[in-house]
Amino acid sequence: SQKIEQNSEALNIQEGKTATLTCNYTNYSPAYLQWYRQDPGRGPVFLLLIRENEKEKRKERLKVTFDTTLKQSLFHITASQPADSATYLCALKYSGAGSYQLTFGKGTKLSVIP
Amino acid sequence: DAGITQSPRHKVTETGTPVTLRCHQTENHRYMYWYRQDPGHGLRLIHYSYGVKDTDKGEVSDGYSVSRSKTEDFLLTLESATSSQTSVYFCASSRPNQPQHFGDGTRLSIL
Repeated sequence: SQKIEQNSEALNIQEGKTATLTCNYTNYSPAYLQWYRQDPGRGPVFLLLIRENEKEKRKERLKVTFDTTLKQSLFHITASQPADSATYLCALKYSGAGSYQLTFGKGTKLSVIP
Repeated sequence: DAGITQSPRHKVTETGTPVTLRCHQTENHRYMYWYRQDPGHGLRLIHYSYGVKDTDKGEVSDGYSVSRSKTEDFLLTLESATSSQTSVYFCASSRPNQPQHFGDGTRLSIL
């Protein structure tokens, strides 16, 4: 069956360091992958999208990589700040399925410690 | 933001009662989605819509129905609520192959 996994349920990191979150998938032929941020009591907010033919995307302190050979995406937050503390979700749009469906990982809760 | 509002934000009801959750978007997005989010499961798609009166089932559609009579409104109905449907429900909307914009959820408790 198709599966998407975020390796860590929780990640603690010191302020100023780079946080790296991992998203792995199996049995997919991906079209693109998205990362979202979710704060407690709120809905997910879109951060970045990376397509299958792209290796890397950047937005300010955020960077996403996509390795279709390893079936893995890495999400980096450089110079992390306490305000970056949130749950981060990856979501995969796979080709061959219902056209507009995303499959979400369970999320990684990031805590940035001052 | 896409301007998505969900109502109600919180609801407590009893097993066997019908429940309708409402989602309203102001961005004229063609696609709308209903998800549920539970600990240990992440976000799971219940139903989605790709146009007015055009809907399809998602991963966990049993016990749920939807309707979309206008572009801006997408309703989720639990015909006869069960305790297993206690969850946080999120609505989202998007343009084709574009990121989804989410509402802030409805916390539903079924006793």
